[in-house]
Amino acid sequence: DTGVSQDPRHKITKRGQNVTFRCDPISEHNRLYWYRQTLGQGPEFLTYFQNEAQLEKSRLLSDRFSAERPKGSFSTLEIQRTEQGDSAMYLCASSYRERQGAYEQYFGPGTRLTVT
Amino acid sequence: ELKVEQNPLFLSMQEGKNYTIYCNYSTTSDRLYWYRQDPGKSLESLFVLLSNGAVKQEGRLMASLDTKARLSTLHITAAVHDLSATYFCAVDWYTNKLIFGTGTRLQVFP
Repeated sequence: DTGVSQDPRHKITKRGQNVTFRCDPISEHNRLYWYRQTLGQGPEFLTYFQNEAQLEKSRLLSDRFSAERPKGSFSTLEIQRTEQGDSAMYLCASSYRERQGAYEQYFGPGTRLTVT
Repeated sequence: ELKVEQNPLFLSMQEGKNYTIYCNYSTTSDRLYWYRQDPGKSLESLFVLLSNGAVKQEGRLMASLDTKARLSTLHITAAVHDLSATYFCAVDWYTNKLIFGTGTRLQVFP
């Protein structure tokens, strides 16, 4: 296992369409995170899972966004009725508990979404 | 709510020079991470700082954490062109979600 993978790497869609992204974490990692990064900004937290349970969602995650991690392995992030403001890089990260309670997060390559 | 600020936002420096990037955060935390991001790429983990006074070094980069001052620094020694990238600090808050700083775009020229 060489790291976190994401698919697709790029997605261009028209406003109003639905899109779904997939993230495959490092196999032994029990936590999985989604972040969104717009141009020139740092990543912003969206949501995270521990195993299959979604434990926290940011207020940035409107009701058009939904994330799942059905068997505690891969995760999907769906955006319904996309808007131009959804254009961003969507980053997935995974982690496991290390020393001193830290969870170092390893990031995937990201999915760049462009909404036209 | 936790705020993380970095300065400078942009740093243009000559090869061979030294400089420091600062990361200030607003709420108590003793876990801080530094990441590097190249244009169009994802984030590469550089340092994990887990306690007050922690210092880590890798090559020309050295990171430190002062939890009492809520300050971390990333020091660059004798910069080379390969260090050109954007550097982010991120604070681990409550549920281990990361709150990122604004980023420092570093450009090293000959």
